[in-house]
Amino acid sequence: EAQVTQNPRYLITVTGKKLTVTCSQNMNHEYMSWYRQDPGLGLRQIYYSMNVEVTDKGDVPEGYKVSRKEKRNFPLILESPSPNQTSLYFCASSSSGGSAYGYTFGSGTRLTVV
Amino acid sequence: GIQVEQSPPDLILQEGANSTLRCNFSDSVNNLQWFHQNPWGQLINLFYIPSGTKQNGRLSATTVATERYSLLYISSSQTTDSGVYFCAVFTGRRALTFGSGTRLQVQP
Repeated sequence: EAQVTQNPRYLITVTGKKLTVTCSQNMNHEYMSWYRQDPGLGLRQIYYSMNVEVTDKGDVPEGYKVSRKEKRNFPLILESPSPNQTSLYFCASSSSGGSAYGYTFGSGTRLTVV
Repeated sequence: GIQVEQSPPDLILQEGANSTLRCNFSDSVNNLQWFHQNPWGQLINLFYIPSGTKQNGRLSATTVATERYSLLYISSSQTTDSGVYFCAVFTGRRALTFGSGTRLQVQP
């Protein structure tokens, strides 16, 4: 089954403790992206990647890092999480980096930073 | 940047009723997608519809790009249709810009 897999689904952590949210897709998509969803602010892009070793900032990149060493994986790294990073996070991939066509989201990761 | 507005913001229906959700966008687009976010938070891809009309079961969508709007029709609604419906357009910044959503509640 074609899918984007995120792990973990739920995570509660403490301020300052580094964490990684993994994202993997099995559709051989070149484009991958991370979004966060917050009440009243909607979904906002954090980072995206057009291909292996090619990443760029989205609207809200502060406090996050990403890497794209392999085509299928696009982990989101929070080196020193803070409470304002409490959010619902989505990874997405697409067959076309210039289109909404085929845009597929993972199931989401609900992160709480205390 | 491009603005995406959805209406109505909230909608409550009885099971079996029909509904129309609207998405207006402020500039010409050639990419538009409708998503459903279910009560568990998952975002489900419904339609990629830059123009024209598509149908999938009880759902259909129409985009009139020249007039900058898209409509999502839900017929014979079921409780499983509940959730939030988003339209989104892909911008030159390599990101989807989402509308604020229509929250649909279908009551049995």
